[in-house]
Amino acid sequence: TQLLEQSPQFLSIQEGENLTVYCNSSSVFSSLQWYRQEPGEGPVLLVTVVTGGEVKKLKRLTFQFGDARKDSSLHITAAQPGDTGLYLCAGAGVGSNYKLTFGKGTLLTVNP
Amino acid sequence: DSGVTQTPKHLITATGQRVTLRCSPRSGDLSVYWYQQSLDQGLQFLIQYYNGEERAKGNILERFSAQQFPDLHSELNLSSLELGDSALYFCASRDRRFGYTFGSGTRLTVV
Repeated sequence: TQLLEQSPQFLSIQEGENLTVYCNSSSVFSSLQWYRQEPGEGPVLLVTVVTGGEVKKLKRLTFQFGDARKDSSLHITAAQPGDTGLYLCAGAGVGSNYKLTFGKGTLLTVNP
Repeated sequence: DSGVTQTPKHLITATGQRVTLRCSPRSGDLSVYWYQQSLDQGLQFLIQYYNGEERAKGNILERFSAQQFPDLHSELNLSSLELGDSALYFCASRDRRFGYTFGSGTRLTVV
């Protein structure tokens, strides 16, 4: 069974601060995705990383896939209240028909 | 609107009952994935269909079943409902270019 451990589980910061969320596993994934979910809505895909060591930037968000494709991180620079939400990482196992294993999420609150 | 449509949005039913959740994937997507989200377990994969055929199964209970119809919409049937089945149920479709797109979910409350 593939597991993804996300940390921290909860994060409350002030506007303008930086933060990093981690996603770790003992399993290798063919790709890893990050989602943001707001209350009452489904997860919305932010990024997919597929190559070990890959770094992708999306405005103030930086995503990194570990060299061994077992872990990933999400770094947010100068967080804003609009960044508030549940951040989920999800991995697609090798040969898994793209079914995803999700971490339990990091609930981020950015206070003005 | 993500393009993936789920109905109903909310469902309240009693233990022992049976319900059907419906999902229409994004236009052109052949695959449908069903996930269950609960507070303690997070998002758990249930089952995948591709162009009408079952492709993969996760931790789906025997009381649950699904199917995908020729028009590609899918239904998830939950029977003999228990209190612990209360959760958010999401479906998602997948496209090679855009990856996963999730619907808004059905919130099931079993009382």
